[in-house]
Amino acid sequence: DIVMTQSPDSLAVSLGERATINCKSSQSVLYSSNNKNYLAWYQQKPGQPPKLIIYWASTRESGVPDRFSGSGSGTDFTLTISSLQAEDVAVYYCQQFYGTPRTFGQGTKVEIK
Amino acid sequence: QVQLVQSGAEVKKPGASVKVSCTASGYTFTSYGIDWVRQAPGQGLEWMGWISAYDGDTNYAQNLQGRVTMTTDTSTNTAYMELRSLRSNDTAVYYCARAIYLGLNDYWGQGTLVTVSS
Repeated sequence: DIVMTQSPDSLAVSLGERATINCKSSQSVLYSSNNKNYLAWYQQKPGQPPKLIIYWASTRESGVPDRFSGSGSGTDFTLTISSLQAEDVAVYYCQQFYGTPRTFGQGTKVEIK
Repeated sequence: QVQLVQSGAEVKKPGASVKVSCTASGYTFTSYGIDWVRQAPGQGLEWMGWISAYDGDTNYAQNLQGRVTMTTDTSTNTAYMELRSLRSNDTAVYYCARAIYLGLNDYWGQGTLVTVSS
């Protein structure tokens, strides 16, 4: 199984400041034939299902604010919230959809400082 | 608009089975797969498996093989997830989600809480 490890487990950021979450996979999720990273980011607010925000490591889902961005390739990835808003308080999960079973990181809780 | 509506909460005894339904609307059901993902209380997300709504092909998580069955009914645009021989650690919220790619999910159901308790 591909193990996904996120860091940190939680972070507190002031409103308007940058939040950065890292995700590392135990093996590459880059598919060489199409040069795509099979890596997604989901946002989950309390009592709600997860919401897809980024896929192919850096493609923003329709309707997601452009303060959210994803980067990285191979085994190391980053989700950045450029200017944290109150509505961004949530748990964020990275997930690989390269191999089965599909696996998620343990989650990173983002709070307001 | 795309919607996935799941069946209601269930309470089951250890050893019993549960079958959760997920009814899709707002898109062509057979053009996408359905993933099932569960989340134990206060815990992270666990992928359970995927089913193609086109031809019923399945891909299950190895740790659930033999206990889980995923099916679809294209006449009612409904996906089902049955989990057998329930244990206390199967207590979780179970989500269905539309799969734009196996394991990549753009729309999710509201979740179904399954509680396993004697």
